[in-house]
Amino acid sequence: AQKITQTQPGMFVQEKEAVTLDCTYDTSDQSYGLFWYKQPSSGEMIFLIYQGSYDEQNATEGRYSLNFQKARKSANLVISASQLGDSAMYFCAMSPLNAGNNRKLIWGLGTSLAVNP
Amino acid sequence: ETGVTQSPTHLIKTRGQQVTLRCSSQSGHNTVSWYQQALGQGPQFIFQYYREEENGRGNFPPRFSGLQFPNYSSELNVNALELDDSALYLCATGGGANTEAFFGQGTRLTVV
Repeated sequence: AQKITQTQPGMFVQEKEAVTLDCTYDTSDQSYGLFWYKQPSSGEMIFLIYQGSYDEQNATEGRYSLNFQKARKSANLVISASQLGDSAMYFCAMSPLNAGNNRKLIWGLGTSLAVNP
Repeated sequence: ETGVTQSPTHLIKTRGQQVTLRCSSQSGHNTVSWYQQALGQGPQFIFQYYREEENGRGNFPPRFSGLQFPNYSSELNVNALELDDSALYLCATGGGANTEAFFGQGTRLTVV
């Protein structure tokens, strides 16, 4: 069965510092995609970054980077230079790559990040 | 701004009633997915529609049903509401294993 595990219910970081949010996954699929989303208190899921299972380079999107270690089945999100607006819930999610038109995402429980001024 | 709009934003219903939640997208994606997110949990996949047909379903009972229309807007219907149906319901368009899905702001359903 496919599963996403986020072991940090809550994290604190000082403004302008970097923070790493952990994500491990379990799948027997050879091809899959890994995603990170941010969910502010308003509820909307905001896409941050994507990593494909066959991508050799770690993904980066501005202040976000994904530390992908395939052998360990981990896909940690690194946020550099934290800002007050980064305070939110962060979710790691996975989607199978060879599932045709299936767009199903499997989600972790999330990590609540608080950025302190 | 994802261009995905859900209505209503908040809703209170009584146990046993029926509810319809709506989702529309400016993008014209031919796939729409619905998720249920209970308080303090990650979203759970309910089902997905592709070109007006359901083509994937999570572990939800048949009283959860949906529709997708030719303009790719969608509805989620829940019959015989239970207290545990209280959650944030998220609609997403597009997505897949190598591209992101776009989410609406969600509908917060409270069943009393």
